[in-house]
Amino acid sequence: QPQLQQWGAGLLKPSETLSLTCTVYGESFTGYYWTWIRQPPGKGLEWIGETIHSGGTNYNPSLKSRVIISMDISKNQFSLKLSSVTAADTAVYFCAWSNPQYAVGGTTRAFEVWGQGTMVTVSS
Amino acid sequence: SYELTQPPSVSVSPGQTATFTCSGDKLGDRYSLWYQQKPGQPPVLVIYQDNKRPSGIPERFSGSNSGNTATLTISGTQAIDEADYYCQAWDSGIVVFGGGTKLTVL
Repeated sequence: QPQLQQWGAGLLKPSETLSLTCTVYGESFTGYYWTWIRQPPGKGLEWIGETIHSGGTNYNPSLKSRVIISMDISKNQFSLKLSSVTAADTAVYFCAWSNPQYAVGGTTRAFEVWGQGTMVTVSS
Repeated sequence: SYELTQPPSVSVSPGQTATFTCSGDKLGDRYSLWYQQKPGQPPVLVIYQDNKRPSGIPERFSGSNSGNTATLTISGTQAIDEADYYCQAWDSGIVVFGGGTKLTVL
């Protein structure tokens, strides 16, 4: 199993771009889905999107126009960029790894490993 | 878009059985998963593929899924089980979470 360590700016102004990075330790990128999930204060989990080592991506339709998830295989990192942020984007952001042994041939995702979370606040 | 519905709260006494429900259209036709989340921590996967436990998850956690409802059951609930519980499914390439249920162990 990999370990994930994430980092990025925690305070943004409205209209700025959120940028977070997750470093993967102990596992290669090959064959895995790498995911970002967020959780507004006191609220539930929201899937943002995912990338796979081939470069393919899937995004939450509600965020798709503002999200880019990318990876840097040479650094074992994947990143999240969310543009034009507002107060509604204030949340704890998590990176996560889906265990393919639990995910039945790609017909679901099973997030067994999570980053520590980054609190991002959007405020003027 | 696909939606999963969970009741906001469940309360049990120590040693009793806690039951969590997650409702979605034909949820039984897809795999359900469950996560436990304690304050200030990332979620922990407790059930995958409807009824399987990852290594390290106690046997008192069990799951089922049929029709429109997935169920997580904690038998012999302990104080350490007090947390928020989220169900999850996958629909047409999109991961969907339920709104979460807060478990209070009285």
